Amino acid sequence: ETGVTQTPRHLVMGMTNKKSLKCEQHLGHNAMYWYKQSAKKPLELMFVYSLEERVENNSVPSRFSPECPNSSHLFLHLHTLQPEDSALYLCASSQEVGQGYEKLFFGSGTQLSVL
Amino acid sequence: GQNIDQPTEMTATEGAIVQINCTYQTSGFNGLFWYQQHAGEAPTFLSYNVLDGLEEKGRFSSFLSRSKGYSYLLLKELQMKDSASYLCAVRDSNYQLIWGAGTKLIIKP
Repeated sequence: ETGVTQTPRHLVMGMTNKKSLKCEQHLGHNAMYWYKQSAKKPLELMFVYSLEERVENNSVPSRFSPECPNSSHLFLHLHTLQPEDSALYLCASSQEVGQGYEKLFFGSGTQLSVL
Repeated sequence: GQNIDQPTEMTATEGAIVQINCTYQTSGFNGLFWYQQHAGEAPTFLSYNVLDGLEEKGRFSSFLSRSKGYSYLLLKELQMKDSASYLCAVRDSNYQLIWGAGTKLIIKP
């Protein structure tokens, strides 16, 4: 148990659907992240939030829309996705954003399949 | 560009020792991390190196040479539960984390 919970664990959606991924951290951290993990590729950082404010958006298509209502919760809203968006989406948290010795605590991810 | 290289897959025998290498080319250096990820599970933190040398933590050790842009993770007395992917990540001069694609370690009885 890492202290970071993601739901759902698995999601299958059509290209015209709208769905949301949810992440909750119970660690009292100030920073939260969305990563995309594709097979045999490095983790891709999508979004970073610090104290509910988005501090980084790595050229992610607008069909991915993050929301951080408070420092414990993070959502990723999905709409009109493409088959190449199929991947494991990982949420992570850390005490602060990227300063020195900052280790990440990850959730188990949502395995997304876009048909 | 920034790059992290690690072998895609390695196989080792239960009870043996295995070394997983990671070489990096980044804009600056502010630390190197190793994470372990079992299939279908969350990556979990294993080690952090910022100075040259060996850091030992039980059966796992991590080594860093900043001049060579090189690190390795050493796993001793391998157990079946060590079958997992091992991710190397470097924090660059802007404190961005640059990730390798991971090494899948297969342990055979």
